[in-house]
Amino acid sequence: AQKITQTQPGMFVQEKEAVTLDCTYDTSDPSYGLFWYKQPSSGEMIFLIYQGSYDQQNATEGRYSLNFQKARKSANLVISASQLGDSAMYFCAMRERSNYAGNNRKLIWGLGTSLGVNP
Amino acid sequence: DVKVTQSSRYLVKRTGEKVFLECVQDMDHENMFWYRQDPGLGLRLIYFSYDVKMKEKGDIPEGYSVSREKKERFSLILESASTNQTSMYLCASSRLAGGLLRNEQYFGPGTRLTVT
Repeated sequence: AQKITQTQPGMFVQEKEAVTLDCTYDTSDPSYGLFWYKQPSSGEMIFLIYQGSYDQQNATEGRYSLNFQKARKSANLVISASQLGDSAMYFCAMRERSNYAGNNRKLIWGLGTSLGVNP
Repeated sequence: DVKVTQSSRYLVKRTGEKVFLECVQDMDHENMFWYRQDPGLGLRLIYFSYDVKMKEKGDIPEGYSVSREKKERFSLILESASTNQTSMYLCASSRLAGGLLRNEQYFGPGTRLTVT
């Protein structure tokens, strides 16, 4: 079963509007962290935002915010005031405290959402 | 700023060739990773290293080996390239910070390898 599900393979948003990218996750570990990365067409993965399972508040970083609903196991990324440069693939990923092997707590990745911003 | 560089952006090799993909990071990170990225399959971990000369297999190590002789450099080796190894290869690094959940990985620009 998929541990990270991104249900929107592709979507478009109008410039200057807000957009929400969905991410649901599956874990029985009470301690975990959730990440969002952006991958522009240049290829490099860029870290955007992090949410810990015990964080009291939803994470925010500039125009990025996380709508974290723990009971529903969702961690949706909200991009406010979209810009043309936001066109990219967006990946949700999770790290669980219990998923520790060989000195590494593994990152589990979703398949991504392609976002296009229309002028 | 963390910088992770990869030796080539695009590479074309023939079946059976030995292929080296190089990755260098300049932030003194202990951890380094090699992933491959394929449409519909997402990112899959090939190998991981947490120290010089130390390596751990990831999810799909078959057909690959790695080398880490210096802390800043992590090489991925395809001993005998095959067409099913055509893919985008991404290198990443992070601090050791084994107890931390929030330990983001920093990625290079990727190498798009085509094996013909």
